[in-house]
Amino acid sequence: EDKVVQSPLSLVVHEGDTVTLNCSYEVTNFRSLLWYKQEKKAPTFLFMLTSSGIEKKSGRLSSILDKKELFSILNITATQTGDSAIYLCAVEGGSEKLVFGKGMKLTVNP
Amino acid sequence: NAGVTQTPKFQVLKTGQSMTLQCAQDMNHEYMSWYRQDPGMGLRLIHYSVGAGITDQGEVPNGYNVSRSTTEDFPLRLLSAAPSQTSVYFCASSYLGLQFFGPGTRLTVL
Repeated sequence: EDKVVQSPLSLVVHEGDTVTLNCSYEVTNFRSLLWYKQEKKAPTFLFMLTSSGIEKKSGRLSSILDKKELFSILNITATQTGDSAIYLCAVEGGSEKLVFGKGMKLTVNP
Repeated sequence: NAGVTQTPKFQVLKTGQSMTLQCAQDMNHEYMSWYRQDPGMGLRLIHYSVGAGITDQGEVPNGYNVSRSTTEDFPLRLLSAAPSQTSVYFCASSYLGLQFFGPGTRLTVL
């Protein structure tokens, strides 16, 4: 059975801190790993990773995939209160079906 | 270009009532899916469709029916609502593994 595990499940930090979110997976026929950010509404897309070792970057957020060790990390540097959200990791195992982890709730305090 | 739309935004049902959650997309995506999101559980796949006339079960299909008569529409039916179906429901359409989510329907079953 396909499985995605995120850790930690919740984290409280102060503005300016750097955080690292972890996502490990077991899935047959891996095609891609995706990160989403969810505030009080629908998840919004952050990154799609398909190749090992290539960092995707957008502003203060970056992510990298390790297909050998079956995990990905999402880094957020110089956190801001607007980064407070649930971060979801999902893996596509073929046929465009996504398997989601339980999500990581990040709280950034001023 | 509206993307993925869902109606209603909120709904309260009594146990045993039936209803249909509507989902439509205007991006001509073949793949569509329904998820439910419960606190601490991430997103769980209910049903999905890889094209008009084709549907299949996801991780938590019991108590739900779907149909896909057109590319655009993918309604989710609750046949006899139960309190365990209280949740937030997201519809999504997908292209090349990237899923676009609707705004969600918050359903409460009393």
